[in-house]
Amino acid sequence: QVQLQQWGAGLLKPSETLSLTCTVYGASFSGYYWTWVRQAPGKGLEWIGEINRSGIANYNPSLKSRVTISADASNGQFSLKLTSVTAADTAVYYCARWAIYWGQGALVTVSS
Amino acid sequence: QSALTQPASVSGSPGQSITISCTGTSSDVGAYKFVSWLQHHPGRPPKLLIYEVSVRPSGISDRFSGSKSGNTASLTISGLQAEDEADYYCTSFTRMSTRAFGTGTKLTVL
Repeated sequence: QVQLQQWGAGLLKPSETLSLTCTVYGASFSGYYWTWVRQAPGKGLEWIGEINRSGIANYNPSLKSRVTISADASNGQFSLKLTSVTAADTAVYYCARWAIYWGQGALVTVSS
Repeated sequence: QSALTQPASVSGSPGQSITISCTGTSSDVGAYKFVSWLQHHPGRPPKLLIYEVSVRPSGISDRFSGSKSGNTASLTISGLQAEDEADYYCTSFTRMSTRAFGTGTKLTVL
């Protein structure tokens, strides 16, 4: 059974860097799209970016200058870094093996 | 990139059918078969209902069906049940090699 377990800091101050990691259990890492999605309070789902089957990362143009998604296939993990966070980055962040398997979600709050 | 357009809300009575539309452009919905539909209950991860326009993953009820015409995709839920009350999102691959989400539709089962 495929499971995604995500973790990372839940409370950040403005200008800090958000860092989340997702570990994949029960599935091969290669050949899939590994994705990060978020949902701000009261808002809809927003695609942040993903690593594709070729190992290339693609990002939401609105976040591209601040986002890095990387993968460590040997450890079955992929990570999200978002720099210079503001209150607008407060959201529940989800990792996913697009689009069928999802992490449990992690609330990240940005507050001074 | 712009969000795909969905109605903000739809409603129906138990047993009825409803359809949610998802309108994009020739650079996303109209360009690819990679349109998916997700069901999202608050506090839970999204759940994949439909992928590649009309394919149901294993374990998804055949009450859920998807289709596409031009730049608009649609999700139909037949035989509405109380547990179908949730938010629904379409998503599409785009020519920029990104993914766009729909604006989301809140389904109320009356």
